[in-house]
Amino acid sequence: SQQGEEDPQALSIQEGENATMNCSYKTSINNLQWYRQNSGRGLVHLILIRSNEREKHSGRLRVTLDTSKKSSSLLITASRAADTASYFCATGHSGGGADGLTFGKGTHLIIQP
Amino acid sequence: DVKVTQSSRYLVKRTGEKVFLECVQDMDHENMFWYRQDPGLGLRLIYFSYDVKMKEKGDIPEGYSVSREKKERFSLILESASTNQTSMYLCASSPIVVGQPAHGYTFGSGTRLTVV
Repeated sequence: SQQGEEDPQALSIQEGENATMNCSYKTSINNLQWYRQNSGRGLVHLILIRSNEREKHSGRLRVTLDTSKKSSSLLITASRAADTASYFCATGHSGGGADGLTFGKGTHLIIQP
Repeated sequence: DVKVTQSSRYLVKRTGEKVFLECVQDMDHENMFWYRQDPGLGLRLIYFSYDVKMKEKGDIPEGYSVSREKKERFSLILESASTNQTSMYLCASSPIVVGQPAHGYTFGSGTRLTVV
């Protein structure tokens, strides 16, 4: 069953603008992660936020988590053409991480030069 | 550079064939996973393993089996390939780190399997 749902499904912005993607999920989680996938390739881990955290930063990435609303957002600031990719949120339900992440269907982000 | 390596990038097999997809990681990770990715459906978990010789069913295990005889290798087996198993297959691994309850996954580049 699909846990996370990203919104929007597709997003096209100009280079230099900020991109915001949202993720909603249904059941309680231990952690939430964001991944990037370039066309036809494997996924690359971007950032992990735990259920007791509200915000996390990594370079140009900012992730927020609102467990009361069961939602998360990924903000990419000062976007670049190389940020063009699909972005997935994934939810983890156990502390050990051994039960498999549940992925959403992704947001396809296009950065126009 | 740490890696998850999937043996084939593209594979074409015939209906009814037994198909082996191999995945090897060099990071000494305990956990390994197999997902399939289809347009409009996202990634779905097929099987996972948290230790040698251990395996657990994911969300869509039907028609698949797995083998983990060594820590670094996790094989996905399609017992009798069917056209509805045409998909992108992604292998991933993650560590169990004491003091860190969860960790990101490292994915392989994927195997695009076509069953004709």
